[in-house]
Amino acid sequence: GAGVSQSPRYKVAKRGQDVALRCDPISGHVSLFWYQQALGQGPEFLTYFQNEAQLDKSGLPSDRFFAERPEGSVSTLKIQRTQQEDSAVYLCASSLGGQGIAYTFGSGTRLTVV
Amino acid sequence: TQLLEQSPQFLSIQEGENLTVYCNSSSVFSSLQWYRQEPGEGPVLLVTVVTGGEVKKLKRLTFQFGDARKDSSLHITAAQPGDTGLYLCRGFGNEKLTFGTGTRLTIIP
Repeated sequence: GAGVSQSPRYKVAKRGQDVALRCDPISGHVSLFWYQQALGQGPEFLTYFQNEAQLDKSGLPSDRFFAERPEGSVSTLKIQRTQQEDSAVYLCASSLGGQGIAYTFGSGTRLTVV
Repeated sequence: TQLLEQSPQFLSIQEGENLTVYCNSSSVFSSLQWYRQEPGEGPVLLVTVVTGGEVKKLKRLTFQFGDARKDSSLHITAAQPGDTGLYLCRGFGNEKLTFGTGTRLTIIP
């Protein structure tokens, strides 16, 4: 597609509920990144894929967070047993190359855990 | 993780004024990017600076990379309401790269 598409745009989850956030990167982009952005803060790195391989997941805050990109295109970020501190905007970005290349970001999914 | 500090954290000025925001680190970066993020959207890349002392201009925006490649500044001339947004710097170095803390800029018409 023309840009990075994320869905849903907004998600309200009850504490303890599982959620799945989708990212559809730009066609042909090899690298895909997930970031978490708290209100008024810069994005914090969560995880990085090159094609279907998850090369870096060191930013995932706990084992409740899981990301996959099984066919090297669409990616899903899953959060199990959501907690209030998980409330944030989750941004996806893709690029042609590695981490040093300019990203194109999606508009994000705003998750609110109540 | 290399830490990037941005200042000021918040800045609110009148339309037509000039301003400078800063991105500082104790680490050396091979390159540095500036992004602008508007509410409800993802960050959009403005510029990449690579060489120490490099200056790049993008219309009314002037970006400078410090000689030691540890810091950068963004100067906006004659600010307009459309410049409102969160300005983020992002550095590339030997350790895990990261975004800065951001400067939230508001231009008052």
